[in-house]
Amino acid sequence: QSALTQPRSVSGSPGQSVTFSCTGTSSDIGAYNYVSWYQQHPNKVPKLLVYDVNKRPSGVPDRFSGSKSGNTASLTISGLQADDEADYYCCSYAGSYTSVVFGGGTNLTVL
Amino acid sequence: QVQLQESGPGLVKPSETLSLTCAVSGYSISSGYFWGWIRQPPGRGLEWIGSIYHTGRTYYSPSLNSRVTISVDTSKNQFTLKMNSVTAADTAIYYCARDVGGATGAYDYWGQGTLVTVSS
Repeated sequence: QSALTQPRSVSGSPGQSVTFSCTGTSSDIGAYNYVSWYQQHPNKVPKLLVYDVNKRPSGVPDRFSGSKSGNTASLTISGLQADDEADYYCCSYAGSYTSVVFGGGTNLTVL
Repeated sequence: QVQLQESGPGLVKPSETLSLTCAVSGYSISSGYFWGWIRQPPGRGLEWIGSIYHTGRTYYSPSLNSRVTISVDTSKNQFTLKMNSVTAADTAIYYCARDVGGATGAYDYWGQGTLVTVSS
């Protein structure tokens, strides 16, 4: 069982917006503004989309945006495209002992 | 351009020690950032193993802490993962990566990953 809880799957149609949720606790997501999101296509290396809750690395389109409220973080993809079909993982800093925890991942299907 | 490359045996026997090295090019480890190891069992999600700073400061996953050691060799610009007493449950793709956030799990550059199978 992963430390962060993500729904197993979500779906959306091209052009729509989809939001992924990631639920943690007051010891990880709720305590720190260090949430990251990754996209992983089948048999590919994970790609960093968002870090520090809402910062995007250079080269990541602004269609990808992150936010946080309480113990839950969210990733929103706007203007859904076929190539967005992939697995999405959230990740949070959880303090100096536990350090880093991942969610179990959400599979996105573009209808 | 920052590049990371994992290397090591693809097959390890149960109860033995898994040893992987991550060679970094295009960036000096001594310049900063934490460097981490993440694994992914076949068909499953990502699991954080641990990370290290160029000074040797380390953080480990509590669930793996007793079996894992991460070390750094700044002269070779590489860092190493050692995991002892492996079982079939340790079979996974092992990735090394750079943490742009400072040991917060924000990995911006990744190696291609190396599959390690634990089997006799």
